[in-house]
Amino acid sequence: DAMVIQNPRYQVTQFGKPVTLSCSQTLNHNVMYWYQQKSSQAPKLLFHYYDKDFNNEADTPDNFQSRRPNTSFCFLDIRSPGLGDAAMYLCATSRDGRRGYTFGSGTRLTVV
Amino acid sequence: AQTVTQSQPEMSVQEAETVTLSCTYDTSESDYYLFWYKQPPSRQMILVIRQEAYKQQNATENRFSVNFQKAAKSFSLKISDSQLGDAAMYFCAYRRMDSNYQLIWGAGTKLIIKP
Repeated sequence: DAMVIQNPRYQVTQFGKPVTLSCSQTLNHNVMYWYQQKSSQAPKLLFHYYDKDFNNEADTPDNFQSRRPNTSFCFLDIRSPGLGDAAMYLCATSRDGRRGYTFGSGTRLTVV
Repeated sequence: AQTVTQSQPEMSVQEAETVTLSCTYDTSESDYYLFWYKQPPSRQMILVIRQEAYKQQNATENRFSVNFQKAAKSFSLKISDSQLGDAAMYFCAYRRMDSNYQLIWGAGTKLIIKP
């Protein structure tokens, strides 16, 4: 089945130690998104790619970076995680947004 | 700026009964999309139903239906014959028609199903 896959499902990292979360898709969607979600709050958009064009949200901290080497893969890099970065990170894709987004299962990040 | 409001932080319903979750939004646009997403505990966010603003007919997906009132900027979700598997956070979301691609989310409603 076509899907969005996030790895790992759970990630524990040390305070200040760089961490990378990954997302892959088999839907061939041209738009990929990274969201941060904290304790049953609404997801907060960090950035998105439309094909290779990167779009950063104005309030996304510089500590967060992203890479999209090809259509299928997208990575979220947190350069120096702080305790406040502990959250669920959701990857989503869409072809054009009209039919909604397809989400991955998320990566729960714990910072110790 | 567009906003989406879900005024019910939590709702509960008896299994097999009907429940309605409310959502209102504010926009000056005439064409847009509205969505309801479901997020079960520790599970994937999935699309429940969507509505194009230019369509007057309310969208329906099996036990899920919406009451779209464009003039009132209201987009409520009705769940009929509630099942235990419907227990989840439900998020209402809005998207403009242009190439922004960004969803504007409501704060969510936690739905509890009582057996």
